Amino acid sequence: EAGVTQFPSHSVIEKGQTVTLRCDPISGHDNLYWYRRVMGKEIKFLLHFVKESKQDESGMPNNRFLAERTGGTYSTLKVQPAELEDSGVYFCASSHGGEQFFGPGTRLTVL
Amino acid sequence: QKEVEQNSGPLSVPEGAIASLNCTYSDRGSQSFFWYRQYSGKSPELIMFIYSNGDKEDGRFTAQLNKASQYVSLLIRDSQPSDSATYLCAVIKTDSNYQLIWGAGTKLIIKP
Repeated sequence: EAGVTQFPSHSVIEKGQTVTLRCDPISGHDNLYWYRRVMGKEIKFLLHFVKESKQDESGMPNNRFLAERTGGTYSTLKVQPAELEDSGVYFCASSHGGEQFFGPGTRLTVL
Repeated sequence: QKEVEQNSGPLSVPEGAIASLNCTYSDRGSQSFFWYRQYSGKSPELIMFIYSNGDKEDGRFTAQLNKASQYVSLLIRDSQPSDSATYLCAVIKTDSNYQLIWGAGTKLIIKP
């Protein structure tokens, strides 16, 4: 069974540009989560989808971040415009209601 | 005060010894506790979870929970070099059944 995949693995952009991160959950997992780890800090929850619905987006830092999950399959997280403080590793996880399985993360660097 | 606190380490343990990793949390209402292992550049991987006070054993791993002291630990017996990784403690947020609150992690180094 394929695990959670994320694309790209790394992204380097300039301040003010737009970046879109993609997450493909494990097939059949209705729950999809986005987390972020800023360097030197702990992992922080961003939001939670159940199928295509946003269940909880309380962790989204501001309105420059937009997450979607069209059709309840893969999800995208768009940052527009990116700021220096958005640099970090963005993790996606999925679950069937229990254990959350994590993807390898996307390392975002904003210059 | 951080919600979940861990010593960042590194914690250096000789091969074959017991590695002891500690975590404290601030929310007294927390009910579910998790230990994840993360190798450098890889995704966090769940190794243990515990809900009840006391010890829970799984192979070489033992999780210990003391809700009165708001303390959870992970013991690794017969440490192997392959156990070298960052160990992350996570707690389910009160009034949630999914939102994980994370510690910053402890880097463990097992010396051959």
